[in-house]
Amino acid sequence: QVQLVQSGAEVKKPGSLVKVSCKASGVSLSRHTVSWVRQAPGQGLEWMGRIISLFGIPNYAQKFQDRVKIKTDESTNTAYMELSSLRSDDTAVYYCAIEAPPDEVDYYLHGWGQGTLVTVS
Amino acid sequence: DIQLTQSPSFLSASVGDRVTITCRASQGIRSNLAWYQQSPGRAPNLLIYGASTLQSGVPSRFSGSGAGTEFTLTISSLQPEDFATYYCQHLNDDFGTFGQGTRLEIE
Repeated sequence: QVQLVQSGAEVKKPGSLVKVSCKASGVSLSRHTVSWVRQAPGQGLEWMGRIISLFGIPNYAQKFQDRVKIKTDESTNTAYMELSSLRSDDTAVYYCAIEAPPDEVDYYLHGWGQGTLVTVS
Repeated sequence: DIQLTQSPSFLSASVGDRVTITCRASQGIRSNLAWYQQSPGRAPNLLIYGASTLQSGVPSRFSGSGAGTEFTLTISSLQPEDFATYYCQHLNDDFGTFGQGTRLEIE
């Protein structure tokens, strides 16, 4: 059973950096892609990017291209998302999610972390 | 980039009703569409992928259809636990995007 456990809530100053972790169990991040999705208060879901773990290659949404880094640490089976130059409108809940297995034709997110609230103030 | 537009944005219905939510893509995406349900304070939950494949454990009252640019999510007989927000999503090798969401509330 896939389980993703994220790090706790953060309060950050504008201009600073936040790093959110996502520890996986029941799945090896060396063989599965992890996406990051955020949700501002009262708003919809926004895809930020992913790490294609099989190749160690990140893939970012254009909006976040200059400010986000997504990595995995295979030794601890943990994914990380760093967002820099934080602004007040980055206040959101940040989710990690596991994508469909690489041998599947379809693309979807089938396992989600519990979310991490990042407040920029 | 491909954009997804859901309609309606808000839907009011009663237990036992049949409801349909539509998701339109700005260009053809074949059957590469997923649907998620999100309850307040919870992470999204996968319902449908490949436009019409029901995720394991999801009740059969949920169904999806469509291909190309127009897709639908249908709930055949609403249950109290179905009142939530629903999102469509397209994901491919290069990027991902969500619809803006449809909030389903009790009438």
